[in-house]
Amino acid sequence: AQSVTQLDSQVPVFEEAPVELRCNYSSSVSVYLFWYVQYPNQGLQLLLKYLSGSTLVKGINGFEAEFNKSQTSFHLRKPSVHISDTAEYFCAVSEEGGKLIFGQGTELSVKP
Amino acid sequence: SAVISQKPSRDICQRGTSLTIQCQVDSQVTMMFWYRQQPGQSLTLIATANQGSEATYESGFVIDKFPISRPNLTFSTLTVSNMSPEDSSIYLCSVVPGGGTQYFGPGTRLLVL
Repeated sequence: AQSVTQLDSQVPVFEEAPVELRCNYSSSVSVYLFWYVQYPNQGLQLLLKYLSGSTLVKGINGFEAEFNKSQTSFHLRKPSVHISDTAEYFCAVSEEGGKLIFGQGTELSVKP
Repeated sequence: SAVISQKPSRDICQRGTSLTIQCQVDSQVTMMFWYRQQPGQSLTLIATANQGSEATYESGFVIDKFPISRPNLTFSTLTVSNMSPEDSSIYLCSVVPGGGTQYFGPGTRLLVL
């Protein structure tokens, strides 16, 4: 069975600092990987996705993630965060476009 | 991509009543899903709703509690039946229009008193 583990429930960081949100997954088959962001009182917005090809994927708002098959990881990074990046971030996995399995979420809090 | 709308956006309901949530998509899609997000929690899949067949429910969710309709390729409803305070959650629908990416509606925020 698939599962997703987000290793940090909360990540506080100062504005303009770099950030990494960690995500590990387990699956016995090839998977698609996603990062979604949820701003306060809003729905989920797709940040980026890995379906195949290059293991480094770039998304919106300056975020990027790297798929590491040997370590079964898909960590999310941004070199310099803004106050507006404060939100909940969810890592998710699916088998070829089917149902998504979500991690528990990481609350990113950017402080001035 | 896909543009998804949900109605209502939020509601406050009394225990023992039922609420039907609507999900409308701007294009025809085969795969549609319903998720629940309990307060402070992640998202959990309730069921997969494909047009022309009965919904497929995940472990812990049953049709009597969460009946789903999927009359066509752009619309679905989820009913939360005989509600209790434990049903207070955000309910989201999502679709896969193609290419493996899932897009979400804005969610319905439900509070059961």
